[in-house]
Amino acid sequence: DAGVTQSPTHLIKTRGQQVTLRCSPKSGHDTVSWYQQALGQGPQFIFQYYEEEERQRGNFPDRFSGHQFPNYSSELNVNALLLGDSALYLCASSLPSGYGYTFGSGTRLTVV
Amino acid sequence: GESVGLHLPTLSVQEGDNSIINCAYSNSASDYFIWYKQESGKGPQFIIDIRSNMDKRQGQRVTVLLNKTVKHLSLQIAATQPGDSAVYFCAENYGGSQGNLIFGKGTKLSVKP
Repeated sequence: DAGVTQSPTHLIKTRGQQVTLRCSPKSGHDTVSWYQQALGQGPQFIFQYYEEEERQRGNFPDRFSGHQFPNYSSELNVNALLLGDSALYLCASSLPSGYGYTFGSGTRLTVV
Repeated sequence: GESVGLHLPTLSVQEGDNSIINCAYSNSASDYFIWYKQESGKGPQFIIDIRSNMDKRQGQRVTVLLNKTVKHLSLQIAATQPGDSAVYFCAENYGGSQGNLIFGKGTKLSVKP
């Protein structure tokens, strides 16, 4: 049984560009959450998707947006990239009950 | 604002010793807590969780203790092994079980052979 899968694993973008990160949840999970982890810090909650809608959002600007598809997979989009957006972006999926948070290995985004 | 913090940023132990990693949380409404292990280049790996209606929960070589009175959480690792070397995060969940997780900065555990 595959866990949470994220793509790509690494990405380099130029300041001002846009980026899309992808996540496939663990089988049986319908809720997907995205986190940003800066170097040496704990993950910070970006937003959570359930039933194809954004259910909760952390303290991130509107440049960060997302989408969830009918098969529960999700995308994270970041527009107008800043150098400070360089981080490890983690996707986590969870059970319908909300428990069982499982993280993927993340996408390492570097903005130059 | 509400946050989860750790008392010790680094912890170095001898192989075979027991390790204790501590965590303080500030939101009394938090009802679910999780410990994660994160190795370099990988995502956080679930270790053990505990709900607020419990004081203690045991897993394989790990025990989590929850003291709601002082808002303190600890992770005990028995017979620490080199493979336990990683950064450990505690995370709290409030807003219900389907809410987001609030992470602390992490404690780096180094196990000396």
